[in-house]
Amino acid sequence: GENVEQHPSTLSVQEGDSAVIKCTYSDSASNYFPWYKQELGKGPQLIIDIRSNVGEKKDQRIAVTLNKTAKHFSLHITETQPEDSAVYFCAPEGGNYQLIWGAGTKLIIKP
Amino acid sequence: KAGVTQTPRYLIKTRGQQVTLSCSPISGHRSVSWYQQTPGQGLQFLFEYFSETQRNKGNFPGRFSGRQFSNSRSEMNVSTLELGDSALYLCASSLAMGEDGYTFGSGTRLTVV
Repeated sequence: GENVEQHPSTLSVQEGDSAVIKCTYSDSASNYFPWYKQELGKGPQLIIDIRSNVGEKKDQRIAVTLNKTAKHFSLHITETQPEDSAVYFCAPEGGNYQLIWGAGTKLIIKP
Repeated sequence: KAGVTQTPRYLIKTRGQQVTLSCSPISGHRSVSWYQQTPGQGLQFLFEYFSETQRNKGNFPGRFSGRQFSNSRSEMNVSTLELGDSALYLCASSLAMGEDGYTFGSGTRLTVV
């Protein structure tokens, strides 16, 4: 089955700096690559996604880049703010529309 | 519009008992998925329902079961509870299978004592 690895497991950045989280996957047939954000006490929330016919997608301070050849995609957050502190998950789509979840990255924004 | 509603929010059960959790998807969403989240194992897929039929199933024992009603509301049941079943159970809905973007509820925190 699909293997998904997410790095780093914890990331601490100064407020205002950028954060990058990387997700590698094994299934070359994957075509859909979302990122979810989970805040304390809540369920995961979709923040950005990309399909395999696009290399990059941006939404304000958040961007996702995809390298299908190398089988990895990354989440980029610029000008980080305290409300960006959360756990972030990548979840590339495997067979039969099922999302395969990474282990999560805890992002800490230092004031 | 209302989000995904899961009830109850918290639950304490004794080992050996059974439990039923409920999920009401966003209006118009026909696909409902269930996940178990624990600190050690992360998010583990349980099953997905679409049009009252189970379409996908994860690697969980038969003690875990679910169903979906004609109004798309879903329930999951865990029988003969074990201490290791203590977890946050999350429900997510989407328009249809393969449709972009799942919307999650806030989950049901189950504690087995």
